[in-house]
Amino acid sequence: AQKITQTQPGMFVQEKEAVTLDCTYDTSDPSYGLFWYKQPSSGEMIFLIYQGSYDQQNATEGRYSLNFQKARKSANLVISASQLGDSAMYFCAMREHNAGNNRKLIWGLGTSLAVNP
Amino acid sequence: DAGITQSPRHKVTETGTPVTLRCHQTENHRYMYWYRQDPGHGLRLIHYSYGVKDTDKGEVSDGYSVSRSKTEDFLLTLESATSSQTSVYFCAISAGTGGYGYTFGSGTRLTVV
Repeated sequence: AQKITQTQPGMFVQEKEAVTLDCTYDTSDPSYGLFWYKQPSSGEMIFLIYQGSYDQQNATEGRYSLNFQKARKSANLVISASQLGDSAMYFCAMREHNAGNNRKLIWGLGTSLAVNP
Repeated sequence: DAGITQSPRHKVTETGTPVTLRCHQTENHRYMYWYRQDPGHGLRLIHYSYGVKDTDKGEVSDGYSVSRSKTEDFLLTLESATSSQTSVYFCAISAGTGGYGYTFGSGTRLTVV
């Protein structure tokens, strides 16, 4: 069973509008971390934001925020005031902290975001 | 930013030849990973290392081997390249901050003809 599900293969948003990229996860580990990465057309993988399972508040990093709903097992990425440079592939990932001493991340298949001028 | 470099950036090779990709880090991190990225499959783990000479298989390790003789270098070898191994290969290190997320190299685009 997929542990990270990103149900939106592709999304469009108008410049300056906000957009939410969905991510749901599945784990029985009470301690875990959730990550979002951006991959622009140039190919590099860029870390955006992190949320720990015990963090009381939703993580924010500039225009990025993570809407963490623990009971629903969702960790949606919210991008406010979209910019043309936000057009990219976005990946959600999870690390289960008690899954062995290897720090492996489990990845979703990604969502392609296009920002229209 | 963490120093992690991959070489080569691009390579075209013939079916049946061995190929070695190199990942070099300057951050002295213990954990290193090799992934391949293919359309529709996302990122799939090939092998990882949790210290010098300590490596383990990921989900798609068949046809690949790795070596780590020094902390800073993690080598991925395609023992006899096949067309199905045409892909983009990423190396990553697990940093000590931010929930132990990854820092990635720039990737190697490998084409097997």
